[in-house]
Amino acid sequence: DIVMTQSPTSMSISVGDRVTMNCKASQNVGSNVDWYQQKTGQSPKLLIYKASNRYTGVPDRFTGSGSGTDFTFTISNMQAEDLAVYYCMQSNSYPTFGSGTKLEIK
Amino acid sequence: QVQLEESGPGLMQPSETLSLTCTVSGFSLTSNGVGWVRQPLGKGLVWMGTIWAGGSTNYNSAVQSRLSISRDTSKSQVFLKMNSLQPEDTGTYYCARHRGIGTTTYYYVMDAWGQGASVTVSS
Repeated sequence: DIVMTQSPTSMSISVGDRVTMNCKASQNVGSNVDWYQQKTGQSPKLLIYKASNRYTGVPDRFTGSGSGTDFTFTISNMQAEDLAVYYCMQSNSYPTFGSGTKLEIK
Repeated sequence: QVQLEESGPGLMQPSETLSLTCTVSGFSLTSNGVGWVRQPLGKGLVWMGTIWAGGSTNYNSAVQSRLSISRDTSKSQVFLKMNSLQPEDTGTYYCARHRGIGTTTYYYVMDAWGQGASVTVSS
């Protein structure tokens, strides 16, 4: 199984901050990584696919990068509505998710 | 408008068989896959399996021996059946559309999700 190690586990941030989180795959997954946002009590929402492609309707403050084993997800200008848990997921083999990064207000 | 809705029993006994239904609208099951993802309370996401547009299936090896995913395209429904339930199977079960993006080659994403069905396994 491909393990996705996501860091940090949580972050305390302020509105307007630049937020960066990381995901490391246990083996090469190419660019086959997606990022999901899950707000409390809601189902996950696709934000980024194939490492760096913003899904339809996703604001451009959300960006993804990386390939191989190391991936980064950035929110350039944190908004209050972005409070959520963010998950990376690899789809190079059967899908596996990272453990999530929870964003909290400082 | 793409929609998915999970339904099924909320409380199960250990060793029983779980049956969940995902009813979809706004897209065709013969053109899109549907996957199931489980989330234990307060924990992360685990992909369980997917039934693809052509009817083939893939399963998470951790539950493959207990899990079956099928569909009825005429009713726009996808079914999950998992036997030998244990308390650790407790959680929210989501179904999600597995859609291909691209022209000549496809990259598959889970781009639309149901609201989830809560399942508790307890004696």
